[in-house]
Amino acid sequence: KNQVEQSPQSLIILEGKNCTLQCNYTVSPFSNLRWYKQDTGRGPVSLTIMTFSENTKSNGRYTATLDADTKQSSLHITASQLSDSASYICVVRPNSGNTPLVFGKGTRLSVIA
Amino acid sequence: DAGITQSPRHKVTETGTPVTLRCHQTENHRYMYWYRQDPGHGLRLIHYSYGVKDTDKGEVSDGYSVSRSKTEDFLLTLESATSSQTSVYFCAVAIGGGLDEQFFGPGTRLTVL
Repeated sequence: KNQVEQSPQSLIILEGKNCTLQCNYTVSPFSNLRWYKQDTGRGPVSLTIMTFSENTKSNGRYTATLDADTKQSSLHITASQLSDSASYICVVRPNSGNTPLVFGKGTRLSVIA
Repeated sequence: DAGITQSPRHKVTETGTPVTLRCHQTENHRYMYWYRQDPGHGLRLIHYSYGVKDTDKGEVSDGYSVSRSKTEDFLLTLESATSSQTSVYFCAVAIGGGLDEQFFGPGTRLTVL
């Protein structure tokens, strides 16, 4: 069964600190992996996308990595800001026709002053 | 927000009543999706559409129906709402498949009493 597992479930860090969120998946074969940011009360917004042949992608202070061999991805946030407080969702697109996207449950990040 | 609006944004209804949620987009995207988001679960696909009058079921379609009579509108109907359908519902749109990003609407919070 296609699954995406994220850890930790929640995380609290001080403003200015770095953090890393983890995503393990069993989707195979897969087309691409995205990280979404979801602010409270809003819809998810894409941060990064990586195909199976890419192993890193940056978007400002966000850097995603992908190891297709071990089926693991991580999202590293540098110099966190209060506005980074949100849920971060790992999403994998299977490489098979109309198979739906597989969503992780998300990691809830709280950045405090 | 990719020109996506959802209405209503909040709704409280009683068990057994019919409910229709509307998703409207202004950018002529071909694909439209309805998801629900519940605590402890990732986003789950209810139904999707790949063109006017072309729809298909997702993983949690029981108790829901959809219609798409115009490119810009995708309606989700709960024929007889149940308390288990209390959730936050998100509409998403995409240009096509492959690497294509899904853009999410702001969500509708539905409470069934």
